Amino acid sequence: QVQLEESGGGVVQPGRSLRLSCAASGFTFSSRAMHWVRQAPGKGLEWVAVISYDGSNKYYTDSVKGRLTISRDNSKNTLYLQMNSLRAEDTAVYYCYCGSTGSGYYLEWGVDYWGQGTLVTVSS
Amino acid sequence: EIVLTQSPATLSLSPGERATLSCRASQSVSSYLAWYQQKPGQAPRLLIYDASNRATGIPARFSGSGSGTDFTLTISSLEPEDFAVYYCQQRSSWPPFNFGPGTKVDIK
Repeated sequence: QVQLEESGGGVVQPGRSLRLSCAASGFTFSSRAMHWVRQAPGKGLEWVAVISYDGSNKYYTDSVKGRLTISRDNSKNTLYLQMNSLRAEDTAVYYCYCGSTGSGYYLEWGVDYWGQGTLVTVSS
Repeated sequence: EIVLTQSPATLSLSPGERATLSCRASQSVSSYLAWYQQKPGQAPRLLIYDASNRATGIPARFSGSGSGTDFTLTISSLEPEDFAVYYCQQRSSWPPFNFGPGTKVDIK
């Protein structure tokens, strides 16, 4: 069965760094675009970033450009989110997500795979 | 950037009633719009994709309609498990793959 398991969340001071991981299994990770989506406490969903199946293309929402970096290691079936210069407004549950069948589209909703989320709290 | 707005913010209904949720895009997204359901403490779940197609395993009481800038999610008869928050998302023009702010359907 499909599993996406995030890890690496925790409490971190403003300005510090954190790296999130998402271990994938049960599907062909290496052929799918992958996303990070976050949700601040009590708030709505916010799309953060997407990476192409081979890692060659990456796209971000404006508020995280230059601070958060999405990457992947297809040999380990793992997605990453390197989070630098963290701010209070980055506090959220971070979900990894796959919405692509490997068709070449970054998102076509042919599948709907979500992790359980990992909480990042930025606070002094 | 395409902005999605959802209305109403909260919908208070009783089990068995019909729910009609709206999502409006700031510019045309053609039919490239999805609806998600999210319950407390859970990840979202895809209900409808490309405006009107039910995702795998989604009950027939959920239906979607619309194209261009105006979309509707209809729950024909609310079951107790349907009380949740519902989000729309577009994939027409990206990045970003924006979500709407959500509509909470709660028990009247």
